[in-house]
Amino acid sequence: DGGITQSPKYLFRKEGQNVTLSCEQNLNHDAMYWYRQDPGQGLRLIYYSQIVNDFQKGDIAEGYSVSREKKESFPLTVTSAQKNPTAFYLCASSPSRRTGTDTQYFGPGTRLTVL
Amino acid sequence: GDSVTQMEGPVTLSEEAFLTINCTYTATGYPSLFWYVQYPGEGLQLLLKATKADDKGSNKGFEATYRKETTSFHLEKGSVQVSDSAVYFCALFSGGSNYKLTFGKGTLLTVNP
Repeated sequence: DGGITQSPKYLFRKEGQNVTLSCEQNLNHDAMYWYRQDPGQGLRLIYYSQIVNDFQKGDIAEGYSVSREKKESFPLTVTSAQKNPTAFYLCASSPSRRTGTDTQYFGPGTRLTVL
Repeated sequence: GDSVTQMEGPVTLSEEAFLTINCTYTATGYPSLFWYVQYPGEGLQLLLKATKADDKGSNKGFEATYRKETTSFHLEKGSVQVSDSAVYFCALFSGGSNYKLTFGKGTLLTVNP
């Protein structure tokens, strides 16, 4: 089945540690995205990538980093510089660089809790 | 900048009641509009979309019409079921060089038997 997988589903981190969230897609999509979801705030864009080896900051990129070495993969690292990392993280992809009418498809999410 | 405003929830209805969730937007140009649904503990799923004025998106009994004159995209369903209980997000994409969706804050719907 084609789709987007995120792992792990739940992740616990101690303060001061970096942690990497995995996102893989087998839909052959060019574009991939990372969103953060907090209660009552909707989704906010962290980073996005329109093509391999290229990515851009979204609205809340501070304290996060990404890489796009393969078309299928777009891992997100939450660094110790992120002041309030506890949240639900969603990865998405869309078919092409021009996403005007292209639908974004979402993974099941990773819930990160900082202890 | 682009923005989406949804009616605040939570919304609680009885089974078979009529549902409306209001959504209005501010955007430059001619945005595409979307409704996504999120079931508890899951990611978002596309519910329906409309790409130009007067288009009606529909899926699973839900409908929304792209109204450019009122900058609205209200979600409706004639008879809700318990299984429709979820969070609903209105979103827009308005093109340009910033390839992203702008989301509303979401509306929690609870349907009681």
